[in-house]
Amino acid sequence: EPEVTQTPSHQVTQMGQEVILRCVPISNHLYFYWYRQILGQKVEFLVSFYNNEISEKSEIFDDQFSVERPDGSNFTLKIRSTKLEDSAMYFCASRTTGTGAVQPQHFGDGTRLSIL
Amino acid sequence: QKEVEQDPGPLSVPEGAIVSLNCTYSNSAFQYFMWYRQYSRKGPELLMYTYSSGNKEDGRFTAQVDKSSKYISLFIRDSQPSDSATYLCAPNTGTASKLTFGTGTRLQVTL
Repeated sequence: EPEVTQTPSHQVTQMGQEVILRCVPISNHLYFYWYRQILGQKVEFLVSFYNNEISEKSEIFDDQFSVERPDGSNFTLKIRSTKLEDSAMYFCASRTTGTGAVQPQHFGDGTRLSIL
Repeated sequence: QKEVEQDPGPLSVPEGAIVSLNCTYSNSAFQYFMWYRQYSRKGPELLMYTYSSGNKEDGRFTAQVDKSSKYISLFIRDSQPSDSATYLCAPNTGTASKLTFGTGTRLQVTL
């Protein structure tokens, strides 16, 4: 069964450094999402992306965050200057456009980001 | 008031028991109701979903939505140790829109 893949599985970065988290969505999917989960807390929405532009973003997704689909297969989340509070598990999700039945979001296994 | 609330548990049941997991929500615009299962160190995995009010059954799992009371339930029959995981309810307003997750209920099924 096709799946969403995320790399790396664990990223350790010094505070203030830039980090790029990478995702390869399922191949025929056109809606892409990033969520994060701080340890012990709920999964929170960050941003959704469709047709090469952001369709919705949360309050968490400030100017330090950006997303990009640099080619036909990758979807990236960049944090420009990391803070300690950015430490979390980051999940990428994707969804097909399909009509009729509900087309749910499928999640990768996440990248654990640790800021030192 | 939080948009989606779940009892975090943990909920411990013996193998073979019927499990009832519940969520309440406050946003009347929610139309689609997803249940995800999350194993330790893994991403959320879609279990099943319903649209609007009503029931949906899939094998040992039944999802139920009561929009009048803003109450969502997931029932697991004949629970197995492999069902031990965190169960997340995640409604949204449209199929392409963001998911709003509850905190999740941790379930442990014991032998």
